[in-house]
Amino acid sequence: EMVMTQSPATLSVSPGERATLSCRASQSVTTNLAWYQQKPGQAPRLLIYDASTRASGIPARFSGSGSGTEFTLTISSLQSEDFAVYYCQQYNNWPPDTFGQGTKLEI
Amino acid sequence: QVQLVESGGGVVQPGRSLRLSCAASGITSSSYGMHWVRQAPGKGLEWVAVIWSDGTNKYYADSVRGRFTISRDNSKNTLYLQMSSLRAEDTAVYYCAYSGYYRPFDSWGQGTLVTVSS
Repeated sequence: EMVMTQSPATLSVSPGERATLSCRASQSVTTNLAWYQQKPGQAPRLLIYDASTRASGIPARFSGSGSGTEFTLTISSLQSEDFAVYYCQQYNNWPPDTFGQGTKLEI
Repeated sequence: QVQLVESGGGVVQPGRSLRLSCAASGITSSSYGMHWVRQAPGKGLEWVAVIWSDGTNKYYADSVRGRFTISRDNSKNTLYLQMSSLRAEDTAVYYCAYSGYYRPFDSWGQGTLVTVSS
């Protein structure tokens, strides 16, 4: 069974700083990896797909990298609206679709 | 832009049934999947089920297989989730989501809350 592990669980960063979030897969997912942002009371929003491609309308400060089992989401200069929970998801070996447990990005 | 609107959530007693609906608009592809994803209060995202656009293939998470049934009515552009033998642990916000085949979830509905409680 595929397991996606995100770290850290909570990341405290100041506005304007850089944030780096990690996602590890228990087996290779090649580059079939997506990142989502979820704000309180809202549905998740697709940020990055195919490990490094920004979804439509996503600012350039969001970038993704990695392949195989190790992935990173980087937010280059945090804005106030970026503080949220971020989930990774693999779509290489499914069903089931598998989400990570999330990283809460807080001020 | 695909638009998804869920409905049908509410409070239901353990062991009872409930049907969720998701009205879809703006879908132009002929090959896509429609999913249900849930989120228990204060918890992460859990994929529940998917049905392909032609209705031929359906897949379920182990936690709901045998209790939940996903279906669709293409004439009404509506996705359903029939939930039976509900348990307290099924309490969650249920989202419908749209994706290409074996692709990430491009569009999400706003969610509908299901509370299983006596």
